[in-house]
Amino acid sequence: KNEVEQSPQNLTAQEGEFITINCSYSVGISALHWLQQHPGGGIVSLFMLSSGKKKHGRLIATINIQEKHSSLHITASHPRDSAVYICAVNFGNEKLTFGTGTRLTIIP
Amino acid sequence: GAGVSQSPRYKVTKRGQDVTLRCDPISSHATLYWYQQALGQGPEFLTYFNYEAQPDKSGLPSDRFSAERPEGSISTLTIQRTEQRDSAMYRCASSLDRLNEQFFGPGTRLTVL
Repeated sequence: KNEVEQSPQNLTAQEGEFITINCSYSVGISALHWLQQHPGGGIVSLFMLSSGKKKHGRLIATINIQEKHSSLHITASHPRDSAVYICAVNFGNEKLTFGTGTRLTIIP
Repeated sequence: GAGVSQSPRYKVTKRGQDVTLRCDPISSHATLYWYQQALGQGPEFLTYFNYEAQPDKSGLPSDRFSAERPEGSISTLTIQRTEQRDSAMYRCASSLDRLNEQFFGPGTRLTVL
């Protein structure tokens, strides 16, 4: 069965802390997406990757194909990073299978 | 266009009525996706289009749900004989082509009374 699991479900941290959100999946994939859902409900694509590592500003995404695992890191976290972060996977086709999301709260 | 747009943003309807939701993708994007997101849940795939072709309808919950993209640009999602369980946020996304980064619209929040 094609499954995507995220951890933790909820994460609260102090401003400035280094944040790691994890995603694991059950079988081989074509691509993995990290998405951010704002408190207002909009969804923004942060990264799409199939191997290695990508960096954009304070955000870093890594993927280990052999271990079927990806991480999203946020450096120097800020209250505006508070959102739900969603991992979603293409299991060899166009259909995206979504994880349950990680609710991140950064306290000033 | 500059981004993906959806209309209406909010729709309230009575059980048994038909509703049609519209998605306007980014103009250069070949691929368009529809998702359903229940309150407090993650999105779930409904269907997608590659231009006007609809290769995968596997996520549509029942035959009351249908989607079209007749000219390969704007798409509509129609729900016939709505039921209360259809209440959700319906999101559209588009991408340049298959298996590419997806750009999401703001969604249409459907409430069925």
